[in-house]
Amino acid sequence: QVQLVESGGGVVQPGRSLRLSCAASGFTFSSYGMYWVRQAPGKGLEWVAIISYDGTNKYYADSVKGRFTISRDNSKNTLYLQMNSLRVEDTAFYYCAKDPGEGNYYHYMDVWGKGTTVTVSS
Amino acid sequence: SYVLTQSPSVSMAPGQTARITCGGNNIGSKSVHWYQQKPGQAPVLVVYDDSDRPSGIPERFSGSNSGNTATLTISRVEAGDEADYYCQVWDGSGVFGTGTKVTVL
Repeated sequence: QVQLVESGGGVVQPGRSLRLSCAASGFTFSSYGMYWVRQAPGKGLEWVAIISYDGTNKYYADSVKGRFTISRDNSKNTLYLQMNSLRVEDTAFYYCAKDPGEGNYYHYMDVWGKGTTVTVSS
Repeated sequence: SYVLTQSPSVSMAPGQTARITCGGNNIGSKSVHWYQQKPGQAPVLVVYDDSDRPSGIPERFSGSNSGNTATLTISRVEAGDEADYYCQVWDGSGVFGTGTKVTVL
């Protein structure tokens, strides 16, 4: 079955870096756009970034632009989120999610991972 | 940036109908998607493209979208429907609504 498993979360000091990974299985990973979405404690969902199926197109929320980088390795069926210059307000549960459009964007998320938690604190 | 506004909470007894609204400027011109998130769990897609249901989602879940308001309707509400519900659109970037907590009394 289609599965997404995030890893790499943890506790980090402000200003430091962290890289999240999302291992995909059960579908042709290289054919689908992917997302990162986060949720601060007790808050709603916030879209973070999207990457095209081939990795050539990437878009970011203004809140993370210039600090976060989304990437993918289709040979490893893995999505990444490199987070630099972390701030306290980046503390959240981070989910990876799949776009249902094969070779294209439908701009919604049909499959979600269970998430990984990132805490930014001194 | 585009803003989606949802009422914070709705409550109803089992068997009643829940209507969750999502307000946005001319939202009727966009495709609206809805997610259900139960406590401690990841979101689940329940309606996409205004009114389509993914496989496995009960027919009790339906959606509509017109003008400045999109609506998710849950008919014959059950205890298991208790969750937070979020609308979402794409406006050059992903936009989620503020979320609505559905409580089944």
